[in-house]
Amino acid sequence: KAGVTQTPRYLIKTRGQQVTLSCSPISGHRSVSWYQQTPGQGLQFLFEYFSETQRNKGNFPGRFSGRQFSNSRSEMNVSTLELGDSALYLCASSAGLAGGIAKTQYFGPGTRLLVL
Amino acid sequence: AQTVTQSQPEMSVQEAETVTLSCTYDTSENNYYLFWYKQPPSRQMILVIRQEAYKQQNATENRFSVNFQKAAKSFSLKISDSQLGDTAMYFCAFMKHGSSGDKLTFGTGTRLAVRP
Repeated sequence: KAGVTQTPRYLIKTRGQQVTLSCSPISGHRSVSWYQQTPGQGLQFLFEYFSETQRNKGNFPGRFSGRQFSNSRSEMNVSTLELGDSALYLCASSAGLAGGIAKTQYFGPGTRLLVL
Repeated sequence: AQTVTQSQPEMSVQEAETVTLSCTYDTSENNYYLFWYKQPPSRQMILVIRQEAYKQQNATENRFSVNFQKAAKSFSLKISDSQLGDTAMYFCAFMKHGSSGDKLTFGTGTRLAVRP
């Protein structure tokens, strides 16, 4: 099976712009989660989507949003970019079912966003 | 809320030797999952091992094993016969059981260097 893929791998934006990141999960996985990784804050959970519904949300401002499509692919959007949004954005997929091995998340290679 | 603590920011081990990385967590949940992920310089987050809290037997995956002490809320990772390719950041992570959504809570990581 192909792994989780994320596009683009690198992005450079300027303050005030918006950005959309894409994530394609492992085939058959219905849950997609997004994480932000920075040197100062570490790994922080953004949100999780399952069957096109946001099932879980972290403590990020409303500028961060996401969605999931019927094929389980997910996008996250950051509007009005700030310098502090510079980070590695990681996407992870899982079967998303109630328990056991289905809870295991597999990560993509990440999108590195630099805001100037 | 759950918290995960990794008290060793950096560790070093000689190739072929054994090293143990520490992780403690705090939760009021009875059923949950614990994971160790490694993140090499390439930045891809890779699953190393997982443990389901209701299973008393410690998980093992080849050279990797855990010491899961539920009462002490401790989940350490032992790497035997260390290899140069084990050089990476290692993250301990917690996830609640159930269908309320998948969210990983990460520790701050331990940077492991394997010396030739």
